[in-house]
Amino acid sequence: EPEVTQTPSHQVTQMGQEVILRCVPISNHLYFYWYRQILGQKVEFLVSFYNNEISEKSEIFDDQFSVERPDGSNFTLKIRSTKLEDSAMYFCASRETSGANNEQFFGPGTRLTVL
Amino acid sequence: GENVEQHPSTLSVQEGDSAVIKCTYSDSASNYFPWYKQELGKGPQLIIDIRSNVGEKKDQRIAVTLNKTAKHFSLHITETQPEDSAVYFCAATISGSARQLTFGSGTQLTVLP
Repeated sequence: EPEVTQTPSHQVTQMGQEVILRCVPISNHLYFYWYRQILGQKVEFLVSFYNNEISEKSEIFDDQFSVERPDGSNFTLKIRSTKLEDSAMYFCASRETSGANNEQFFGPGTRLTVL
Repeated sequence: GENVEQHPSTLSVQEGDSAVIKCTYSDSASNYFPWYKQELGKGPQLIIDIRSNVGEKKDQRIAVTLNKTAKHFSLHITETQPEDSAVYFCAATISGSARQLTFGSGTQLTVLP
């Protein structure tokens, strides 16, 4: 069964460093998303991406964040200068374009720890 | 924007009993309501969803009901089993768009053997 994959599973970084989180969405999906989940809290939307551009972004997704689809398979989230409060689980999700199917498939997540 | 409230935050039931988790939403334009199960260390997995053109949907031991007028929807799990223990999230969005899912705060369900 096709699935969304994410790497790394755990990333530890120093405050102020740049990190890139990687995702490989399901191959025939065209909508991509990043969400984050701070420990013990709800899953929060960061950004959606379609047709090589951002469709929507939340207030969390400030200038320190960027997304890219560098090739036909990867979808990345970059945090330029990490802060302590960026420590969270980051989930990538993807969805088909068909209007009848709204299911978003989530990857296993990357745990980001900022020291 | 959309706001989704979820109750209870924790729920313990005896194996074989039923569990009910309730959510309310604020945006009347929302018309797609999925439920996700998240096991420890994993990403959310869709277990059932409902669209606003139906009031109830059932899949084996899991059912979801929707009241559009009151803007609330509920997850019902019957004959609970220990492997049902997980965090359950409700969510809401507008079908067919790139719109994001707005999640509830989650319910930690514990099924006691």
